[in-house]
Amino acid sequence: EAGVTQSPTHLIKTRGQQATLRCSPISGHTSVYWYQQALGLGLQFLLWYDEGEERNRGNFPPRFSGRQFPNYSSELNVNALELEDSALYLCASRQGALSTDTQYFGPGTRLTVL
Amino acid sequence: AQSVTQLDSQVPVFEEAPVELRCNYSSSVSVYLFWYVQYPNQGLQLLLKYLSGSTLVKGINGFEAEFNKSQTSFHLRKPSVHISDTAEYFCAVSANAGGTSYGKLTFGQGTILTVHP
Repeated sequence: EAGVTQSPTHLIKTRGQQATLRCSPISGHTSVYWYQQALGLGLQFLLWYDEGEERNRGNFPPRFSGRQFPNYSSELNVNALELEDSALYLCASRQGALSTDTQYFGPGTRLTVL
Repeated sequence: AQSVTQLDSQVPVFEEAPVELRCNYSSSVSVYLFWYVQYPNQGLQLLLKYLSGSTLVKGINGFEAEFNKSQTSFHLRKPSVHISDTAEYFCAVSANAGGTSYGKLTFGQGTILTVHP
């Protein structure tokens, strides 16, 4: 069974540009999470999508947005990139919406903002 | 809201020695507890989780953790470590309730375990 996949592996942008990160969940999983792992800030929750809807959002500005498609894959968009957006962005998927279900993580997209 | 404190940022040990990675949490509601491991340039892999029942939880790769409700702790242990256990370990909690914390994992800052030969 294929795990969570993310693309691209690396992404280099300049300040002010937009970045789009993609995530494909494990087959049968309907929930997708996005986390940011920035140096010195640890792992922080960004967004949670389930069944195509945004269920929860972390403490990030509105220029961080996303969506979930009918096939449950997801996109994270970061507008007006700032230097401090440089981080590893991890996507996780979960079979359902229950907190008892395990979140399975992808390998991440390394975003570098110059 | 929840918070997680991993008491040691780095833990060096020798191969075949026992190790304990400490985790304390704070929450106004009951939580589920998790330990994840991150190998270099990889995503996170679940080691074990505590949902309910027995407070001693066994996970993969010989790791185990004990939930202590009175001390709000969930320490990770392994009786004998290998070189291959060198990685960063994250303790995390998930609220067993709705509200703004619903569904997400709140992570500690991580503990880098380095196993020396």
